[in-house]
Amino acid sequence: QQQVKQSPQSLIVQKGGISIINCAYENTAFDYFPWYQQFPGKGPALLIAIRPDVSEKKEGRFTISFNKSAKQFSLHIMDSQPGDSATYFCAASSTGNQFYFGTGTSLTVIP
Amino acid sequence: NAGVTQTPKFQVLKTGQSMTLQCAQDMNHEYMSWYRQDPGMGLRLIHYSVGAGITDQGEVPNGYNVSRSTTEDFPLRLLSAAPSQTSVYFCASSYRGEGTEAFFGQGTRLTVV
Repeated sequence: QQQVKQSPQSLIVQKGGISIINCAYENTAFDYFPWYQQFPGKGPALLIAIRPDVSEKKEGRFTISFNKSAKQFSLHIMDSQPGDSATYFCAASSTGNQFYFGTGTSLTVIP
Repeated sequence: NAGVTQTPKFQVLKTGQSMTLQCAQDMNHEYMSWYRQDPGMGLRLIHYSVGAGITDQGEVPNGYNVSRSTTEDFPLRLLSAAPSQTSVYFCASSYRGEGTEAFFGQGTRLTVV
């Protein structure tokens, strides 16, 4: 069964718009929630991460919103740019480094 | 810095053949892992290692073997390839502990015919 559920599967946004990707989990032992960005032909790379003791983390145009009671977290990309076009994966882990990944969201930003 | 290096980048195998996917990291990371990426399935953990001489199974270990004789290397072996093992394989490494960044290699695209 999928430990982390991610939606939508694909997303098309106009340049300058806001991209929002959502994830949900069930295992309350998870204590680290990273987002990875993957460009075609490349391996995933860490974009931003959050721990459950905060509700929001912002780095530049990228923001994670975290709702511990609902067991949900989301990635917001403000002022989306064509260079942001990539596949985004949410993930979750507990102690021991074992990550569980969502199924990925293919983002296309139209100029 | 090379980071995580995977070889080969592409491979075509016939059903029943065996092969080893190589993974090496130069960051002295204790934790290494192998994932497979399939459309609509995300990244699924195959095997992982928390240090030299220690390995364990992930979500989808069947058909794969691993060993970890050094900190740097973590090869993945397919003993008898099957078409269901057609996938993109990623190796990752990180320091051991909570909330550490995983660094991924560039991937190996494997096709089994």
